[in-house]
Amino acid sequence: DGGITQSPKYLFRKEGQNVTLSCEQNLNHDAMYWYRQDPGQGLRLIYYSQIVNDFQKGDIAEGYSVSREKKESFPLTVTSAQKNPTAFYLCASLRGGSITNTEAFFGQGTRLTVV
Amino acid sequence: AQKVTQAQTEISVVEKEDVTLDCVYETRDTTYYLFWYKQPPSGELVFLIRRNSFDEQNEISGRYSWNFQKSTSSFNFTITASQVVDSAVYFCAPRRASYDKVIFGPGTSLSVIP
Repeated sequence: DGGITQSPKYLFRKEGQNVTLSCEQNLNHDAMYWYRQDPGQGLRLIYYSQIVNDFQKGDIAEGYSVSREKKESFPLTVTSAQKNPTAFYLCASLRGGSITNTEAFFGQGTRLTVV
Repeated sequence: AQKVTQAQTEISVVEKEDVTLDCVYETRDTTYYLFWYKQPPSGELVFLIRRNSFDEQNEISGRYSWNFQKSTSSFNFTITASQVVDSAVYFCAPRRASYDKVIFGPGTSLSVIP
């Protein structure tokens, strides 16, 4: 079955450590996105990629980094520069380019906690 | 500039009541799509419906119906005869008819009480 997979579901990080969240899709979608969600809050855009080997900063990119070396993969690294990384992270994919009438597909999310 | 507003932060209804969720999308664009997503307690967002900006005809699908008024940029989503399983956070998400990023409104938390 086609879909989008995030791993791990739960992640614990010590202060000062970098951690990488995985996002993989087999929907052949061009575009992939990372969002952060804090308790009781909406989705804030971290980074997005419309095509392989290209990505753009979203509204809250500081302290995060991404890569898009393969169409199906868009990993997110939370660096030590991110001072408050505890949050729920959601990855999404959708058909990109000029096609605007298609919906986004979401992974199940990764809940990151700093200990 | 574009702005998405969901003025209702939280709504509580008793089971079987009808409930309407509001979304206002302010933009200078004349062509765009509006999407509604549901986020249950499990966390994964699920797509519900989409509407385009050039079709103001109201539509009904099962217990869901939506009303789009282009003059006020208002896109309202109604759940008829609400059920406990409808309890979730609902997000409105516009997308302009261009090579553009996907943004979300702040969301409305719906609680359906048995």
